[in-house]
Amino acid sequence: DAGITQSPRHKVTETGTPVTLRCHQTENHRYMYWYRQDPGHGLRLIHYSYGVKDTDKGEVSDGYSVSRSKTEDFLLTLESATSSQTSVYFCAISGQGGLSNQPQHFGDGTRLSIL
Amino acid sequence: TQLLEQSPQFLSIQEGENLTVYCNSSSVFSSLQWYRQEPGEGPVLLVTVVTGGEVKKLKRLTFQFGDARKDSSLHITAAQPGDTGLYLCAGEVVNYGQNFVFGPGTRLSVLP
Repeated sequence: DAGITQSPRHKVTETGTPVTLRCHQTENHRYMYWYRQDPGHGLRLIHYSYGVKDTDKGEVSDGYSVSRSKTEDFLLTLESATSSQTSVYFCAISGQGGLSNQPQHFGDGTRLSIL
Repeated sequence: TQLLEQSPQFLSIQEGENLTVYCNSSSVFSSLQWYRQEPGEGPVLLVTVVTGGEVKKLKRLTFQFGDARKDSSLHITAAQPGDTGLYLCAGEVVNYGQNFVFGPGTRLSVLP
């Protein structure tokens, strides 16, 4: 157990509403990531963080923003949700203790449906 | 964009058979990970390979990293129903600070 928790686990919302997903980790990992997983596409990186207040865009960042105000928490926000953002979202962590060259560990995912 | 391809996409076999799945790219990776994912759960790390030509064994699973660090294979001996799942490979991008690119996965079904 890598000590990573995603919330909520499931959410249904309407187009145009804001949505925030939370990732919480307890083991002092430096790097945190948000991915979405869709059939035929595998896992695609949305945004990642390499430290508190240090974030960067991934492959599919349009329509998403992130924030990391403390080591433990990485928030993913959909400012105005669209149906194309219906997906399963995974948070991942790596770099325990600030070390590099470490693999990622994943949370159990958030299933988001936008109607 | 660095791409990882996996083959086959789908594989359905009988319990006791052997199988190999492949992960290929034209890019060089610092390391490569294999994960298994079950429905409703996140990917779970199986192994990390770092050195070109490296072979690692995990019970009935054998992982190999290509000499040029561009490809990898996963071989399962005497597959069991518990091996059923989605197998994902992920390459750590060289000189890009702990960033990873994932393949689309191989969905394995082992029938009793």
